[in-house]
Amino acid sequence: SQTIHQWPATLVQPVGSPLSLECTVEGTSNPNLYWYRQAAGRGLQLLFYSVGIGQISSEVPQNLSASRPQDRQFILSSKKLLLSDSGFYLCASYGDTRSSYNSPLHFGNGTRLTVT
Amino acid sequence: TQLLEQSPQFLSIQEGENLTVYCNSSSVFSSLQWYRQEPGEGPVLLVTVVTGGEVKKLKRLTFQFGDARKDSSLHITAAQPGDTGLYLCAGATGNQFYFGTGTSLTVIP
Repeated sequence: SQTIHQWPATLVQPVGSPLSLECTVEGTSNPNLYWYRQAAGRGLQLLFYSVGIGQISSEVPQNLSASRPQDRQFILSSKKLLLSDSGFYLCASYGDTRSSYNSPLHFGNGTRLTVT
Repeated sequence: TQLLEQSPQFLSIQEGENLTVYCNSSSVFSSLQWYRQEPGEGPVLLVTVVTGGEVKKLKRLTFQFGDARKDSSLHITAAQPGDTGLYLCAGATGNQFYFGTGTSLTVIP
């Protein structure tokens, strides 16, 4: 089964500083990859998704960007953080050689980002 | 961006009671999934429904997909403290998965 690694688990950054969150996937190849942001106790907002290396689709205009330099690596970045970028960031993976519509999204354990 | 509204947003009930959570959208989805999330962790899949009108049962949990594949419900019978958590619906369309607004359930012993 798939395993999603995210780091760091928590991060406190000042306004205006850069950001780089990394996500790596084990146990599958050529997955679809996703970045979500979650406010406390609420649903997940889809930020970016990728169907392959170098292919990034953005769902909402924002201060963030994403890159996929390798098949199982997905990076979320910002040049200058805003207070509104605070939140719980989750990376997810979908699809493998046996995937079907019953396959789940596999999630990492997330990064709690606080911008001060 | 697709919007999925869940209701209620918060639910606090006594152990042994029944409850229903609703997930509504104006969009049609190819499938709909329900997840449960614990604090500080990623969501974990409970079930996937695909066919309009489909009903799936998972022990004390019953999931239904609306005939038009725009809405879904989750019914829990005889809730237990272990059911406490954040319940999320997610609609799939193409390569995207859009999540609902979430229902935070607390079951009091």
